[in-house]
Amino acid sequence: GEDVEQSLFLSVREGDSSVINCTYTDSSSTYLYWYKQEPGAGLQLLTYIFSNMDMKQDQRLTVLLNKKDKHLSLRIADTQTGDSAIYFCAETFGYSGNTPLVFGKGTRLSVIA
Amino acid sequence: DGGITQSPKYLFRKEGQNVTLSCEQNLNHDAMYWYRQDPGQGLRLIYYSQIVNDFQKGDIAEGYSVSREKKESFPLTVTSAQKNPTAFYLCASSTVGGRPNTGELFFGEGSRLTVL
Repeated sequence: GEDVEQSLFLSVREGDSSVINCTYTDSSSTYLYWYKQEPGAGLQLLTYIFSNMDMKQDQRLTVLLNKKDKHLSLRIADTQTGDSAIYFCAETFGYSGNTPLVFGKGTRLSVIA
Repeated sequence: DGGITQSPKYLFRKEGQNVTLSCEQNLNHDAMYWYRQDPGQGLRLIYYSQIVNDFQKGDIAEGYSVSREKKESFPLTVTSAQKNPTAFYLCASSTVGGRPNTGELFFGEGSRLTVL
């Protein structure tokens, strides 16, 4: 079955870049996502990438997808204290939104001022 | 504003009592979902529904029940059969159909249930 793995913790200094990594097992994923969760709140979509893309950039965020290694990463440039949160990698299958997303366990990013 | 509303945000119950968590959306989304979040466990799918009057079990449905009588509403009941009900519960919704559909989920702010 499908599985999504992430490391649980990451600590960076303010102003540095953060790189959060994710691996997945099912090569038939169609979309892969990064969600952000602040303390005591729901999840918010940060960005997503279609499986036929290698890279997507959106302001400070860069997503890299290596389909051969089934590896997804999220790079946050110039990390700020407001970026401290839990980041979830997720995947889905198909093209019609019929399949529930599968989430990793989340990476807790701590930004040190 | 369109969104998903969960209530209550915090709930305390005694062991053995059933509890119902509310989830309402005004996004006109067809699909709704319930996830459970425990520290270090990520999000685990409890139940989901893609159409009114129909729903499917997720990975951890035992001890939970749902109904989908209206498109806008998807309440979750945590029954006394759920052995470890203390957790953070998240409701989400999404569109179904149309191509391409990115499958993006929109989440509520969550309900934290503590069983004493």
